[in-house]
Amino acid sequence: EVQLVESGGGLVQPGRSLRLSCAASGFTFDDYAMHWVRQAPGKGLEWVSGISWNSGSIGYADSVKGRFTISRDNAKNSLYLQMNSLRAEDTALYYCAKNSEMATMSYFDYWGQGTLVTVSS
Amino acid sequence: SYELTQPLSVSVALGQTARITCGGNNIGSKNVHWYQQKPGQAPVLVIYRDSNRPSGIPERFSGSNSGNTATLTISRAQAGDEADYYCQVWDSPVFGGGTKLTVL
Repeated sequence: EVQLVESGGGLVQPGRSLRLSCAASGFTFDDYAMHWVRQAPGKGLEWVSGISWNSGSIGYADSVKGRFTISRDNAKNSLYLQMNSLRAEDTALYYCAKNSEMATMSYFDYWGQGTLVTVSS
Repeated sequence: SYELTQPLSVSVALGQTARITCGGNNIGSKNVHWYQQKPGQAPVLVIYRDSNRPSGIPERFSGSNSGNTATLTISRAQAGDEADYYCQVWDSPVFGGGTKLTVL
């Protein structure tokens, strides 16, 4: 059974940093690209960032480019999101999502339950 | 950037057929995927590559894509189908704005 478990969310002041983690199990982690998708309270889904199986291809939404960094550790079956210079508009539930393929970004066939990030003073 | 347009809400009578559209310029040339999100839950993939159902998704869910519109069709709608539905393509922005399905 595929499981994605996010952690690292919390309340943080504007301008500060936070690092999210996603622990994956139930599939061969290094065979698939992975993503972060967020959802602001009462709003729709927003893709944040994606990374290919070998970290050779990485992409970011314009809204987080230059502030967020995605990474993965295939030895630990883990995905990360380093979030710097956080803003109030980054407040959201952050989901870890598995890509359906190794490198080509396509669709998200499994999702975690999310970790909540609240940016407020 | 590429935009996906969904109606904010769709209503359907119990047991009838609901159709949720996703509009985009020449979307028929793209692969469209659909997600169901119930309140307080993570999204679930219900249709991939226009018309394919993942295992465990009822046959009542189907999809089509042509021209400038992709459509998610839910036949014999049930109360348990009430949810937000999102279309997605691999482009920027990636997701449509979402449609709230109400089963009357």
